Amino acid sequence: DAKTTQPTSMDCAEGRAANLPCNHSTISGNEYVYWYRQIHSQGPQYIIHGLKNNETNEMASLIITEDRKSSTLILPHATLRDTAVYYCIVSFPTGNQFYFGTGTSLTVIP
Amino acid sequence: GAVVSQHPSWVICKSGTSVKIECRSLDFQATTMFWYRQFPKQSLMLMATSNEGSKATYEQGVEKDKFLINHASLTLSTLTVTSAHPEDSSFYICSARVAGQTFNQPQHFGDGTRLSIL
Repeated sequence: DAKTTQPTSMDCAEGRAANLPCNHSTISGNEYVYWYRQIHSQGPQYIIHGLKNNETNEMASLIITEDRKSSTLILPHATLRDTAVYYCIVSFPTGNQFYFGTGTSLTVIP
Repeated sequence: GAVVSQHPSWVICKSGTSVKIECRSLDFQATTMFWYRQFPKQSLMLMATSNEGSKATYEQGVEKDKFLINHASLTLSTLTVTSAHPEDSSFYICSARVAGQTFNQPQHFGDGTRLSIL
Protein backbone atom coordinates (compact mmCIF):
# COMPACT_ATOMS: atom_id res chain seq x y z
CA ASP A 1 0.00 0.00 0.00
CA ALA A 2 1.09 3.58 -0.65
CA LYS A 3 2.79 5.14 2.34
CA THR A 4 2.68 8.75 1.23
CA THR A 5 0.22 11.63 1.36
CA GLN A 6 0.32 14.48 -1.12
CA PRO A 7 -2.01 17.39 -1.93
CA THR A 8 -4.31 16.54 -4.79
CA SER A 9 -3.47 19.58 -6.87
CA MET A 10 -1.37 22.73 -6.92
CA ASP A 11 -0.88 25.72 -9.19
CA CYS A 12 2.37 27.58 -9.76
CA ALA A 13 3.15 30.68 -11.78
CA GLU A 14 5.58 30.20 -14.63
CA GLY A 15 9.11 31.16 -13.59
CA ARG A 16 8.42 30.79 -9.91
CA ALA A 17 9.58 27.96 -7.67
CA ALA A 18 7.18 25.05 -7.29
CA ASN A 19 7.28 23.43 -3.85
CA LEU A 20 5.56 20.07 -3.70
CA PRO A 21 5.14 18.55 -0.24
CA CYS A 22 4.90 14.89 0.68
CA ASN A 23 4.09 13.31 4.01
CA HIS A 24 5.60 9.90 4.79
CA SER A 25 5.23 9.74 8.54
CA THR A 26 5.56 5.94 8.72
CA ILE A 27 8.84 5.79 6.81
CA SER A 28 11.36 3.34 8.20
CA GLY A 29 15.09 3.84 8.60
CA ASN A 30 16.26 2.32 5.34
CA GLU A 31 13.47 3.42 3.04
CA TYR A 32 14.36 5.86 0.31
CA VAL A 33 12.18 8.70 -0.95
CA TYR A 34 11.74 8.86 -4.73
CA TRP A 35 10.06 11.49 -6.85
CA TYR A 36 8.67 10.86 -10.32
CA ARG A 37 6.38 12.79 -12.58
CA GLN A 38 3.93 11.65 -15.23
CA ILE A 39 2.84 13.73 -18.15
CA HIS A 40 -0.47 12.66 -19.65
CA SER A 41 -0.38 9.30 -21.42
CA GLN A 42 3.34 8.75 -20.83
CA GLY A 43 5.33 6.62 -18.43
CA PRO A 44 6.64 8.13 -15.19
CA GLN A 45 9.85 10.13 -15.45
CA TYR A 46 12.44 9.90 -12.68
CA ILE A 47 13.26 13.19 -10.99
CA ILE A 48 15.30 12.63 -7.85
CA HIS A 49 15.66 10.40 -4.79
CA GLY A 50 17.28 10.49 -1.35
CA LEU A 51 17.60 8.81 2.02
CA LYS A 52 18.13 11.56 4.58
CA ASN A 53 20.36 14.22 3.11
CA ASN A 54 19.05 16.95 0.87
CA GLU A 55 19.71 16.25 -2.78
CA THR A 56 19.96 18.42 -5.89
CA ASN A 57 20.28 17.60 -9.55
CA GLU A 58 19.68 19.38 -12.83
CA MET A 59 15.93 18.97 -12.54
CA ALA A 60 15.08 19.65 -8.92
CA SER A 61 16.00 19.73 -5.25
CA LEU A 62 14.77 17.34 -2.59
CA ILE A 63 14.50 18.54 0.98
CA ILE A 64 13.95 15.82 3.60
CA THR A 65 13.11 16.82 7.15
CA GLU A 66 15.42 15.71 9.92
CA ASP A 67 12.88 13.20 11.25
CA ARG A 68 12.34 12.01 7.66
CA LYS A 69 8.58 12.12 8.07
CA SER A 70 8.12 14.55 5.21
CA SER A 71 9.89 15.92 2.19
CA THR A 72 9.53 18.69 -0.37
CA LEU A 73 10.36 18.60 -4.04
CA ILE A 74 11.43 21.98 -5.37
CA LEU A 75 11.36 22.89 -9.04
CA PRO A 76 13.34 26.14 -8.93
CA HIS A 77 11.93 27.86 -12.01
CA ALA A 78 8.74 26.19 -13.17
CA THR A 79 7.94 26.15 -16.88
CA LEU A 80 4.76 25.15 -18.69
CA ARG A 81 6.40 21.81 -19.52
CA ASP A 82 6.53 21.02 -15.80
CA THR A 83 2.75 20.61 -15.75
CA ALA A 84 2.30 16.96 -14.73
CA VAL A 85 1.29 14.64 -11.91
CA TYR A 86 4.10 14.35 -9.36
CA TYR A 87 4.45 11.19 -7.31
CA CYS A 88 6.36 10.78 -4.07
CA ILE A 89 7.20 7.14 -3.29
CA VAL A 90 8.97 5.49 -0.40
CA SER A 91 10.57 2.13 -0.97
CA PHE A 92 12.86 -0.36 0.69
CA PRO A 93 16.16 -0.78 -1.15
CA THR A 94 15.67 -4.56 -1.11
CA GLY A 95 12.96 -5.55 -3.58
CA ASN A 96 12.40 -1.93 -4.49
CA GLN A 97 8.70 -2.30 -5.21
CA PHE A 98 6.99 1.02 -5.83
CA TYR A 99 3.49 1.58 -4.49
CA PHE A 100 2.20 4.79 -6.00
CA GLY A 101 -0.08 7.12 -4.11
CA THR A 102 -2.47 9.55 -5.74
CA GLY A 103 0.19 12.16 -6.48
CA THR A 104 -0.10 15.93 -6.92
CA SER A 105 -1.36 17.40 -10.16
CA LEU A 106 0.79 20.48 -10.74
CA THR A 107 -0.42 23.10 -13.18
CA VAL A 108 2.04 25.79 -14.21
CA ILE A 109 0.18 28.93 -15.16
CA PRO A 110 1.53 31.40 -17.74
CA GLY B 1 20.97 6.13 -20.94
CA ALA B 2 18.62 3.68 -19.17
CA VAL B 3 15.95 3.62 -21.85
CA VAL B 4 12.99 1.26 -21.55
CA SER B 5 10.87 0.58 -24.62
CA GLN B 6 7.40 -0.94 -24.74
CA HIS B 7 5.69 -2.46 -27.73
CA PRO B 8 3.06 -1.96 -28.92
CA SER B 9 2.23 1.50 -27.67
CA TRP B 10 -1.43 1.05 -28.51
CA VAL B 11 -3.54 -2.00 -29.29
CA ILE B 12 -7.22 -2.70 -29.88
CA CYS B 13 -8.48 -6.26 -29.73
CA LYS B 14 -11.71 -8.20 -29.72
CA SER B 15 -12.95 -9.67 -26.48
CA GLY B 16 -11.60 -13.16 -25.85
CA THR B 17 -8.27 -12.72 -27.59
CA SER B 18 -4.87 -12.75 -25.90
CA VAL B 19 -2.53 -9.80 -26.14
CA LYS B 20 1.22 -9.77 -25.58
CA ILE B 21 3.07 -6.64 -24.49
CA GLU B 22 6.85 -6.42 -24.66
CA CYS B 23 9.12 -4.46 -22.36
CA ARG B 24 12.75 -4.05 -23.41
CA SER B 25 15.70 -2.40 -21.74
CA LEU B 26 17.55 -0.90 -24.70
CA ASP B 27 20.91 0.10 -23.30
CA PHE B 28 21.23 -1.84 -20.08
CA GLN B 29 20.58 -5.23 -18.57
CA ALA B 30 17.72 -5.60 -16.13
CA THR B 31 17.52 -8.46 -13.65
CA THR B 32 14.24 -7.07 -12.32
CA MET B 33 11.32 -5.58 -14.21
CA PHE B 34 7.99 -4.42 -12.87
CA TRP B 35 4.54 -4.31 -14.44
CA TYR B 36 1.93 -1.69 -13.55
CA ARG B 37 -1.62 -0.97 -14.62
CA GLN B 38 -3.25 2.45 -14.66
CA PHE B 39 -6.93 3.17 -15.16
CA PRO B 40 -8.09 6.62 -16.34
CA LYS B 41 -7.62 9.38 -13.77
CA GLN B 42 -6.08 6.91 -11.32
CA SER B 43 -2.59 6.21 -10.08
CA LEU B 44 -0.30 3.39 -11.14
CA MET B 45 -0.96 0.04 -9.50
CA LEU B 46 1.85 -2.50 -9.20
CA MET B 47 0.79 -5.82 -10.72
CA ALA B 48 3.90 -7.96 -10.49
CA THR B 49 7.64 -8.12 -10.07
CA SER B 50 9.50 -10.04 -12.76
CA ASN B 51 12.93 -11.50 -12.13
CA GLU B 52 15.02 -12.86 -14.98
CA GLY B 53 15.00 -16.62 -15.10
CA SER B 54 12.42 -17.13 -12.37
CA LYS B 55 8.69 -16.92 -11.83
CA ALA B 56 7.12 -13.53 -11.38
CA THR B 57 5.77 -12.42 -8.03
CA TYR B 58 2.23 -11.13 -8.29
CA GLU B 59 0.59 -8.55 -6.04
CA GLN B 60 -2.45 -9.54 -4.07
CA GLY B 61 -5.57 -9.58 -6.19
CA VAL B 62 -3.76 -9.93 -9.52
CA GLU B 63 -4.61 -13.19 -11.31
CA LYS B 64 -1.40 -14.87 -12.40
CA ASP B 65 -3.25 -17.08 -14.91
CA LYS B 66 -4.82 -14.00 -16.45
CA PHE B 67 -1.65 -11.95 -16.67
CA LEU B 68 1.22 -14.17 -17.77
CA ILE B 69 4.67 -12.72 -17.29
CA ASN B 70 7.85 -14.06 -18.86
CA HIS B 71 11.31 -12.64 -18.22
CA ALA B 72 13.52 -14.93 -20.23
CA SER B 73 16.43 -12.58 -20.83
CA LEU B 74 18.12 -9.64 -19.14
CA THR B 75 16.64 -7.22 -21.65
CA LEU B 76 13.12 -8.50 -22.25
CA SER B 77 10.02 -9.12 -20.19
CA THR B 78 6.60 -9.84 -21.65
CA LEU B 79 3.11 -9.51 -20.24
CA THR B 80 0.36 -11.54 -21.88
CA VAL B 81 -3.22 -10.67 -21.08
CA THR B 82 -5.07 -13.92 -21.71
CA SER B 83 -8.69 -14.03 -22.89
CA ALA B 84 -8.95 -10.29 -22.56
CA HIS B 85 -12.29 -8.67 -21.77
CA PRO B 86 -13.39 -5.02 -21.78
CA GLU B 87 -12.62 -4.65 -18.07
CA ASP B 88 -8.96 -5.40 -18.89
CA SER B 89 -8.79 -2.24 -20.95
CA SER B 90 -6.16 -0.08 -19.31
CA PHE B 91 -2.75 1.57 -19.63
CA TYR B 92 -0.03 -0.99 -18.91
CA ILE B 93 3.41 0.29 -17.96
CA CYS B 94 6.65 -1.53 -17.28
CA SER B 95 9.78 -0.45 -15.49
CA ALA B 96 13.24 -1.88 -15.05
CA ARG B 97 16.12 -1.64 -12.65
CA VAL B 98 19.69 -1.77 -13.90
CA ALA B 99 21.40 -5.05 -13.11
CA GLY B 100 24.27 -4.83 -10.69
CA GLN B 101 23.30 -1.48 -9.25
CA THR B 102 22.51 -1.08 -5.59
CA PHE B 103 18.87 -1.55 -4.79
CA ASN B 104 18.26 2.10 -4.00
CA GLN B 105 18.79 3.14 -7.60
CA PRO B 106 15.64 4.31 -9.40
CA GLN B 107 13.41 2.32 -11.69
CA HIS B 108 13.28 3.37 -15.34
CA PHE B 109 9.83 3.37 -16.92
CA GLY B 110 8.61 2.66 -20.40
CA ASP B 111 6.04 4.87 -22.12
CA GLY B 112 3.22 2.42 -21.62
CA THR B 113 0.84 0.39 -23.74
CA ARG B 114 -2.76 1.45 -24.08
CA LEU B 115 -4.95 -1.64 -24.38
CA SER B 116 -8.55 -1.37 -25.53
CA ILE B 117 -10.74 -4.47 -25.62
CA LEU B 118 -13.93 -4.23 -27.64
